[in-house]
Amino acid sequence: LAKTTQPISMDSYEGQEVNITCSHNNIATNDYITWYQQFPSQGPRFIIQGYKTKVTNEVASLFIPADRKSSTLSLPRVSLSDTAVYYCLVGDRIGTASKLTFGTGTRLQVTL
Amino acid sequence: DAGVIQSPRHEVTEMGQEVTLRCKPISGHDYLFWYRQTMMRGLELLIYFNNNVPIDDSGMPEDRFSAKMPNASFSTLKIQPSEPRDSAVYFCASSLEGTNQPQHFGDGTRLSIL
Repeated sequence: LAKTTQPISMDSYEGQEVNITCSHNNIATNDYITWYQQFPSQGPRFIIQGYKTKVTNEVASLFIPADRKSSTLSLPRVSLSDTAVYYCLVGDRIGTASKLTFGTGTRLQVTL
Repeated sequence: DAGVIQSPRHEVTEMGQEVTLRCKPISGHDYLFWYRQTMMRGLELLIYFNNNVPIDDSGMPEDRFSAKMPNASFSTLKIQPSEPRDSAVYFCASSLEGTNQPQHFGDGTRLSIL
C-alpha cells in the first residue's frame, strides 16, 4: 500500500499564510481529496474537499495539480487557534478498488 | 443537532477481557466508519458500513476484532480477547452518501489494555 505522506511539522507566525502539502501518488481515479483538522482529545474535523484544480471555502483553499498525485491545503492568515494537526484523506488505489487512507499528519504550530 | 456520539470516552481493562465500543451516527447518514489512531500507525480505517451492511473490513486487524451495525442508529466494535497492543483511540465517523462525502467524527474512545 503506497503511503500518503505529509511533512511532520510546520511552524508559522500569526497572520501568515500556511501551505501544507500531501503526497498521494497512488490515488484512485474516482476518489476525492479531503482535508481534516484535529485538536487534542477530539476527532478530526472536515476542512475542505476537492477532486481537481482549485477549491476555496470560507476557511481554506485546496490546490490539486492535473496529475492529482499531490495536494496543497492553504490556510490564509493563520491565528493561534489554527494550531492543530492536519490530515489529508484519499482513496488509495488497490487494483480496481480503493481504500481510504489518511496521510501521516502535519502538526502546525502558530505563534505570535 | 447532535453529532456522532461514542461511548465510553475512556476504557481501561485488563488483557484478555472483552471490550465493546459503541457509536451512534448522525441521523440520516448512510455510511459509518470505524478508525483506530495510534502514534505508530496514525489513523487507520478498520471497517465501514453502507446502510448497515459492512462494505470493506480489510482494515480489521485480526479475528479478535468484530463490528456490527444492527440498525441505522447504532454500531459496535468489539475486541475479544483484548491485548495491550490494541491500546489506541478508536473513532467512529459517519457521512451522508458515500466515501467521497465529508465525514463527521465522534470524539473517540481512548482504550487502554493493561
